[in-house]
Amino acid sequence: DARVTQTPRHKVTEMGQEVTMRCQPILGHNTVFWYRQTMMQGLELLAYFRNRAPLDDSGMPKDRFSAEMPDATLATLKIQPSEPRDSAVYFCASGLVSPSSRHTGELFFGEGSRLTVL
Amino acid sequence: AQSVAQPEDQVNVAEGNPLTVKCTYSVSGNPYLFWYVQYPNRGLQFLLKYITGDNLVKGSYGFEAEFNKSQTSFHLKKPSALVSDSALYFCAVRQGGSASKIIFGSGTRLSIRP
Repeated sequence: DARVTQTPRHKVTEMGQEVTMRCQPILGHNTVFWYRQTMMQGLELLAYFRNRAPLDDSGMPKDRFSAEMPDATLATLKIQPSEPRDSAVYFCASGLVSPSSRHTGELFFGEGSRLTVL
Repeated sequence: AQSVAQPEDQVNVAEGNPLTVKCTYSVSGNPYLFWYVQYPNRGLQFLLKYITGDNLVKGSYGFEAEFNKSQTSFHLKKPSALVSDSALYFCAVRQGGSASKIIFGSGTRLSIRP
């Protein structure tokens, strides 16, 4: 059963520490998204990639967040240095998106990485 | 710019009654519209989508949604609610064509009382 895998599932760290979250998208999907879920902000789009190329990372705080896709099986989201306001659940999702209506972009989500920054 | 609005933070319905969860959107061109459901401590799961064609689309677990172009709405509906439908529901929009960006509404918590 194909699924998106995220690690770690839970992370507790102290302010100022570096945090790296990893995502293995579903094989064959060409688009990968990073979202952040908080009670106050709902589900925010942080960044997304198509065919491993970053298309938009305007939702991320540039000074501390970075997102990369070093190969087709791995996407990473890094926070350095972390701050308490970064505490949230971070979701990775992958899907097939193309101009044709055959690939309409319904997404498959991982189980999320719950980050707590003390 | 794309946007999605879910005007209700919470919807409460008695089991067996019909339910509606509202969604309105703004996007250039023809929209691709989606509904997802999230159970506690889980990722979002796809429910249904509208791409083109019939304005009433049917999805998983007996849910359906009605696309209304003039009102730019895509409300989620179910004729008879179950307690197990209680969850967080998200509406999402993608601009049609080559665009990839998919954004989500703020979510609506659906609570079905026995």
